[in-house]
Amino acid sequence: NAGVTQTPKFQVLKTGQSMTLQCAQDMNHEYMSWYRQDPGMGLRLIHYSVGAGITDQGEVPNGYNVSRSTTEDFPLRLLSAAPSQTSVYFCASSYSPRGQPQHFGDGTRLSIL
Amino acid sequence: QQQVKQSPQSLIVQKGGISIINCAYENTAFDYFPWYQQFPGKGPALLIAIRPDVSEKKEGRFTISFNKSAKQFSLHIMDSQPGDSATYFCAAKHNTDKLIFGTGTRLQVFP
Repeated sequence: NAGVTQTPKFQVLKTGQSMTLQCAQDMNHEYMSWYRQDPGMGLRLIHYSVGAGITDQGEVPNGYNVSRSTTEDFPLRLLSAAPSQTSVYFCASSYSPRGQPQHFGDGTRLSIL
Repeated sequence: QQQVKQSPQSLIVQKGGISIINCAYENTAFDYFPWYQQFPGKGPALLIAIRPDVSEKKEGRFTISFNKSAKQFSLHIMDSQPGDSATYFCAAKHNTDKLIFGTGTRLQVFP
């Protein structure tokens, strides 16, 4: 049972490039979310999904897109990377919006030059 | 009103000592207060959680103390060990609302 798997683990991009961070879970969880973690700011919610075909914005959604075509996968897309998006990105899942705990992946460390 | 304020930012404790991390909130609708533990290079993992109908919850060496009137809750780590060295996040949520995280406390336990 792999839990929440994030790829890649590390990525360096140039300003203006686009890329997709992958997230997959094998626990049949309905609720999935993306956070970014920055020093001194904790984890901030970017986007979340309560089920396949349903997504919504979190606290810091600008510059990011998501889609949820299957229960298992929840990719995060950076449309035009900016240095302010340098961060560690975590994907999480739980069996329902009210359900806890949220299971986190090990993160993608992204640097934008 | 959605913020969760966490202190201290960093904490150094000797092995065997007590580590205490504090969090405060404003939103009285919050009804779930978890603590997450994060080791370097890993994602956060749920450590212990409490709901406001109890004032204390203990799991092994880890205890959450909850003060509803003061809108504060804290994590106590008894007999702290070097293996407890990690970053700890408090969080809060209401019903199906999003989980709101504190800013984190980096704990270092020295032998």
